[in-house]
Amino acid sequence: EVQLVESGGGLVKPGGSLRLSCAASGFTFSSYSMNWVRQAPGKGLEWVSSISHTTTSYIYYAASVRGRFTISRDNARNSLYLQMSSLRAEDTAVYFCARFLRTYSDGMDVWGQGTTVTVSS
Amino acid sequence: SYVLTQPPSVSVAPGQTARITCGRYNIGGISVHWYQQKPGQAPVLVVYDDSDRPSGIPERFSGSNSGNTATLTISRVEAGDEADYYCQVWDTSSDLLWVFGGGTKLTVL
Repeated sequence: EVQLVESGGGLVKPGGSLRLSCAASGFTFSSYSMNWVRQAPGKGLEWVSSISHTTTSYIYYAASVRGRFTISRDNARNSLYLQMSSLRAEDTAVYFCARFLRTYSDGMDVWGQGTTVTVSS
Repeated sequence: SYVLTQPPSVSVAPGQTARITCGRYNIGGISVHWYQQKPGQAPVLVVYDDSDRPSGIPERFSGSNSGNTATLTISRVEAGDEADYYCQVWDTSSDLLWVFGGGTKLTVL
């Protein structure tokens, strides 16, 4: 079964850091570009970051997180990561990892169940 | 505000046809993807590249894209189709690159 499972969410104080992980299974992880997408409580979906299937091709960030978040992947471990620092209240959201169907212009066809990040003092 | 404009809500009776729009200048020139999200669940891709369906998505879900409007059409609507629907594009003219619409709540009456 094709599956993505996120972990690492939690409660963190403003200015703090957190590392999210996404474990992939059931498909050849190294062949797919990946994303992080978030959803604030009661709000819509917001793209956060994308990384190509080989990290040397591209890495992109939304302006709202650029310089604070770092996306990475370990193809040997079938894992995607999001290192988040200098966290703000507005970063509070459910964070989903998602797979591109084929290329970066495609839709995202596999999603994890999400992990919740709460930034509050 | 969102680069992609969706109506906040659409209501339809069971068995009827629901149409959810996604507006942007010249959206017909780029590919549009649509997601269904039920409460407490992850989004599900229901249409990609304007009008293609992933495996497992019923034929009742279809899409079109022309001019300034893309449309997700759900035929013979069922109670289980009640959800939020989001359009999404890859937009190199936007700082966000991968852009989602604000979402449309489909209510089945």
